Parts: sequence; structure tokens; C-alpha cells
Amino acid sequence: EDQVTQSPEALRLQEGESSSLNCSYTVSGLRGLFWYRQDPGKGPEFLFTLYSAGEEKEKERLKATLTKKESFLHITAPKPEDSATYLCAVTSLSNDYKLSFGAGTTVTVRA
Amino acid sequence: EAQVTQNPRYLITVTGKKLTVTCSQNMNHEYMSWYRQDPGLGLRQIYYSMNVEVTDKGDVPEGYKVSRKEKRNFPLILESPSPNQTSLYFCASSLSRNGEQFFGPGTRLTVL
Repeated sequence: EDQVTQSPEALRLQEGESSSLNCSYTVSGLRGLFWYRQDPGKGPEFLFTLYSAGEEKEKERLKATLTKKESFLHITAPKPEDSATYLCAVTSLSNDYKLSFGAGTTVTVRA
Repeated sequence: EAQVTQNPRYLITVTGKKLTVTCSQNMNHEYMSWYRQDPGLGLRQIYYSMNVEVTDKGDVPEGYKVSRKEKRNFPLILESPSPNQTSLYFCASSLSRNGEQFFGPGTRLTVL
């Protein structure tokens, strides 16, 4: 069974204080690793897809990286509007219709 | 505007009273899915559909039914709701398998 573990559960940052979120996964052949952002009371919003170890993707202050066991979401010089819950999910080669999510990391950025 | 819509957004019901949560997408996506989100457990997939008339179970299908008679609609049916189905439900769609999923706004269900 695919497993996704995110850490930390919560992260409080000062505006401008860079940090990283971790997503470790166990899957029988990774098909894709996804990062989503979820604001309170809303549905998740897609950020990135990573397919192979060594791959990196960037969007504004966010950068996602992937190794064979884990992924990191780096937040550089965060702003209060980056406050959200960040979700990691994986699909496997055996069933790429099935998205398995981690429990998420809630990031709070104080001005 | 490309979107996934769900109705109702909030629902309070009683044990055993059948209910349907509707989901519709206007992006001509083939793939649709239902999730429930519970504190500490994250999003868990209930059912998914690869195309019209093709559905399959996710991780937590017990107590739920789905149907996919049209490409744009994917209703979630609770034949006899129980309190342990109190949760936040999300519908999602994507253009292809393993593709980016677009999520609806969520339906908060309370079963008394």
C-alpha cells in the first residue's frame, strides 16, 4: 500500500524566513509526486508534479525537489499570503488513477 | 470559467436518510474522483471514474455509491448515512490519468 508522510505537521514562520517541508513516500514504483496548496474552506489547488529523482520545479517563492525516497517543498522568503496547508500526494505505476495523500503541513507566516 | 462544482456545500442530515451530493465539471475531463478529508487523516479516495460508465473503488468505498452516466457529472450517493460519514467531501477531475486534478469547493456533511 502506498504511504505518504509529511513533516512537520505545522510550521510557523516569520515573513522572510525561508524553510522546507518534507514529504517521504513508500510506493511500488513512483509514477508521479504532486504538491497541492489548500486554503481554509477551499479545495486543494495544484502546484507541481514531479516524475523522477533529481527533478526540480519552481513557482514564485516555492521550489519542489524529488529524490527516490522523499520530496521537499522549499519556501523562500515567505509572505503572509503563503500561509496555507501544503499537501503531498503520489501515484504509482501499478495504478496511476489512485492519488494517495499525506496529512499535510500547515504553514503560518507572520508579518 | 473552468471549474468543478459541488452541491450542496453544507448538509446536516440524520442517520439512515439517503442523500446525494452532486459534482459537475465543465472541462470535458475524462477522470473524476471523490475524496473525504478528516483531521489528521488527510484526503482519502472514495471512488474514481476513468470515463462514462467506468468506476472503481478507492481506499474507503464502504457506505458510498457512485455513478457516471454522463461525462460531466459524478454524483456521490450515501444510501444510509451514519455518523462516521461526517466529513468534508471533495470532488475532483483531471484531463488524463496521472494528470493535475482540479478540485471542487467541498461539501461539509454532518450526520446526526
